[in-house]
Amino acid sequence: GAVVSQHPSRVICKSGTSVKIECRSLDFQATTMFWYRQFPKQSLMLMATSNEGSKATYEQGVEKDKFLINHASLTLSTLTVTSAHPEDSSFYICSAFHGFDEKLFFGSGTQLSVL
Amino acid sequence: AQSVSQHNHHVILSEAASLELGCNYSYGGTVNLFWYVQYPGQHLQLLLKYFSGDPLVKGIKGFEAEFIKSKFSFNLRKPSVQWSDTAEYFCAVNRGGGADGLTFGKGTHLIIQP
Repeated sequence: GAVVSQHPSRVICKSGTSVKIECRSLDFQATTMFWYRQFPKQSLMLMATSNEGSKATYEQGVEKDKFLINHASLTLSTLTVTSAHPEDSSFYICSAFHGFDEKLFFGSGTQLSVL
Repeated sequence: AQSVSQHNHHVILSEAASLELGCNYSYGGTVNLFWYVQYPGQHLQLLLKYFSGDPLVKGIKGFEAEFIKSKFSFNLRKPSVQWSDTAEYFCAVNRGGGADGLTFGKGTHLIIQP
């Protein structure tokens, strides 16, 4: 089946630094990718929809200047958490839409810990 | 905005028991419904989905779900569970088809005891 690779799987950073998370569709082209955030024992919350070649669409309450999303190619979307703070610590998951199968494929997630 | 409610956060069953996980959503319009599973250490993967047509949908690994529009429900079932079904199960909805962002429930952690 289709594979979505998310990297890194785990990152620890100091408060105030920026962290970039990559999401790649390995064997298909994804015009649309999604970024989710999951707190412990909570559901996945949609943060933004990333469309190749255009600006991301952010959900209400998500700061677009803090969570920068770039979808520069049909196989890569990146999420940059800028000036990270401890409250940004969370599990971030990307997914890519496979248009032919009409399915979403998920990455394995990134656990971000901000000290 | 739509929301999804999963009734059970933790379920423990013995092998061969029957399973039903509840899922209710709140949205008055047309929705698409999904069940995803996440096995330990693995990615989320699609179990089954409902877009339209027969409200009883069959998915992978012997799972099925029934869409009951009047109850805003999409419960997941399996007649006889196996130890390998131990996983986290998420119900999700969207409005625009596969290319629309999903709203997830909080998940149900299912443990199957041998």
